[in-house]
Amino acid sequence: GAGVSQSPRYKVAKRGQDVALRCDPISGHVSLFWYQQALGQGPEFLTYFQNEAQLDKSGLPSDRFFAERPEGSVSTLKIQRTQQEDSAVYLCASSFRLTIQETQYFGPGTRLLVL
Amino acid sequence: GESVGLHLPTLSVQEGDNSIINCAYSNSASDYFIWYKQESGKGPQFIIDIRSNMDKRQGQRVTVLLNKTVKHLSLQIAATQPGDSAVYFCAETEMGITGNQFYFGTGTSLTVIP
Repeated sequence: GAGVSQSPRYKVAKRGQDVALRCDPISGHVSLFWYQQALGQGPEFLTYFQNEAQLDKSGLPSDRFFAERPEGSVSTLKIQRTQQEDSAVYLCASSFRLTIQETQYFGPGTRLLVL
Repeated sequence: GESVGLHLPTLSVQEGDNSIINCAYSNSASDYFIWYKQESGKGPQFIIDIRSNMDKRQGQRVTVLLNKTVKHLSLQIAATQPGDSAVYFCAETEMGITGNQFYFGTGTSLTVIP
């Protein structure tokens, strides 16, 4: 079956522009995670969902970042009034359940460049 | 603007040699660890995991060693192949904490020389 897909793969935004990044998790996966990966760094946790419930958003860097998963499947990460420091790869991952041993399957990421 | 340099540790090995990639973790309460492989332009891919009640676990061509005393994790790749060239990350978490939040290390860039 298909893996985690993300769109767009690349996004160039002017500073101050709003962007929306989409994640399609593996069908049937309950848990969905968003990570931010700066150049040369490991992924950093942003937020996660169990079905449609956002259980932890402690990693979101500011109130300009907002994530939703209204129907418990597709998720959107929205960044308002983008800043240059938002430039990074945004990774989405999903897992079948929320138990710690469940493997997280990552998408290819969306590379965001804010000019 | 400020240039962001790559501060990744790097490792170059000859094809066929064994590779050892190291990771120091910071949280002494972490009790579950995963090694991920990330190829250019792709998301991280699960390689192998280990719980803190173990000090060694073997997979196919890979072995993970855990030393909780010094908070050190290593990934050994046997008979390294060109396809193993990638950035390798270790990730740690506490199983008792609600959710599946993993903390990733900086990563090591492995280059396999044919």
